[in-house]
Amino acid sequence: RKEVEQDPGPFNVPEGATVAFNCTYSNSASQSFFWYRQDCRKEPKLLMSVYSSGNEDGRFTAQLNRASQYISLLIRDSKLSDSATYLCVATTSGTYKYIFGTGTRLKVLA
Amino acid sequence: NAGVMQNPRHLVRRRGQEARLRCSPVKGHSHVYWYRQLPEEGLKFMVYLQKENIIDESGMPKERFSAEFPKEGPSILRIQQVVRGDSAAYFCASTTGANEKLFFGSGTQLSVL
Repeated sequence: RKEVEQDPGPFNVPEGATVAFNCTYSNSASQSFFWYRQDCRKEPKLLMSVYSSGNEDGRFTAQLNRASQYISLLIRDSKLSDSATYLCVATTSGTYKYIFGTGTRLKVLA
Repeated sequence: NAGVMQNPRHLVRRRGQEARLRCSPVKGHSHVYWYRQLPEEGLKFMVYLQKENIIDESGMPKERFSAEFPKEGPSILRIQQVVRGDSAAYFCASTTGANEKLFFGSGTQLSVL
């Protein structure tokens, strides 16, 4: 089993739709979580950190469920420019390892 | 406030040549990671370095690949005697410490002819 798993998609959604991605992690000692966005042939860019209480940044909301060991990303009012691959990342307390999921591809359609 | 700087952006080598990829981390960051990515695939961890030390090179092939992060200057990923299978995007990332936000450079696209 992979340490961090994501549905590869693609998720094809119309503009204005709300879309949610989940990401599961296998190591219960995982401490910090992040969502990154990667456009084709570009570097991953930090979208947001994920906090235990959940956090929001504009149209983006991230949630952490430690009991079920998953994190989620909700995108409201999707824009064409949201089309990208979204990477889930987990780190483990006491180590330096950043474990990346393979990404979920989102396509927002006009 | 410069981010992670990688150069060159594109590097073309013939089989058997050496490739040198450079990475200057964000100012003040002492932790550097190198990742490799093939088209349509995820990021594969290669090596983690702190200033003057290789902490974990478990993701890097033992032959032909080496990395360093000297006290002064950028981190260098070196690939000797390149083969076609080395063609990929190589990303460098830096951070202030474990579990903190990781910032990526724009990558070096290596093409081996």
